[in-house]
Amino acid sequence: EPEVTQTPSHQVTQMGQEVILRCVPISNHLYFYWYRQILGQKVEFLVSFYNNEISEKSEIFDDQFSVERPDGSNFTLKIRSTKLEDSAMYFCASFLSGGGAADTQYFGPGTRLTVL
Amino acid sequence: GQNIDQPTEMTATEGAIVQINCTYQTSGFNGLFWYQQHAGEAPTFLSYNVLDGLEEKGRFSSFLSRSKGYSYLLLKELQMKDSASYLCAVRDLNDKIIFGKGTRLHILP
Repeated sequence: EPEVTQTPSHQVTQMGQEVILRCVPISNHLYFYWYRQILGQKVEFLVSFYNNEISEKSEIFDDQFSVERPDGSNFTLKIRSTKLEDSAMYFCASFLSGGGAADTQYFGPGTRLTVL
Repeated sequence: GQNIDQPTEMTATEGAIVQINCTYQTSGFNGLFWYQQHAGEAPTFLSYNVLDGLEEKGRFSSFLSRSKGYSYLLLKELQMKDSASYLCAVRDLNDKIIFGKGTRLHILP
């Protein structure tokens, strides 16, 4: 069974510091996503990425956020200057949209970000 | 605006069938996801419907009616391990994914 991996599993940082969350999506997938989930709340879309560029981003994904796929395998989310309200679980996902039964999406296990 | 509605909680009995409904109003539509999420874990993909109709995968089936902005997830032969939250999410034409708040399903023995 293919899997999406994320590192680190837990990141603790001071407010104002930069963090980079890393993800390795499924190799033959074409669409990549970052989501976040604040404890007890719903999953929120941050950004989608296709063909080496951002397809869509949410209102949450402001200038403090950026994504990269530097080497064709890793997919990173950077938060330049973290705020207390950035504390959440961050999930990476990759999606193969081939039509019909081939459509599958896999989530990584998540990175729990705690901003102090 | 964009809105996804699903019931907050449902309860069903082991071995029974349960249907979880989802209605949506979005500015564009490119598909609808269903996920299962156990507490403290990542969501797990269950289905992705693009066209109208019913898709069956083992004990789980998902139905879509685009004209009605409506989908449901049907779970048969319920097992205790099916106790989880079930998330409905719509993919719009620009590849933005909008999630509902999830339905917490409780399975009673």
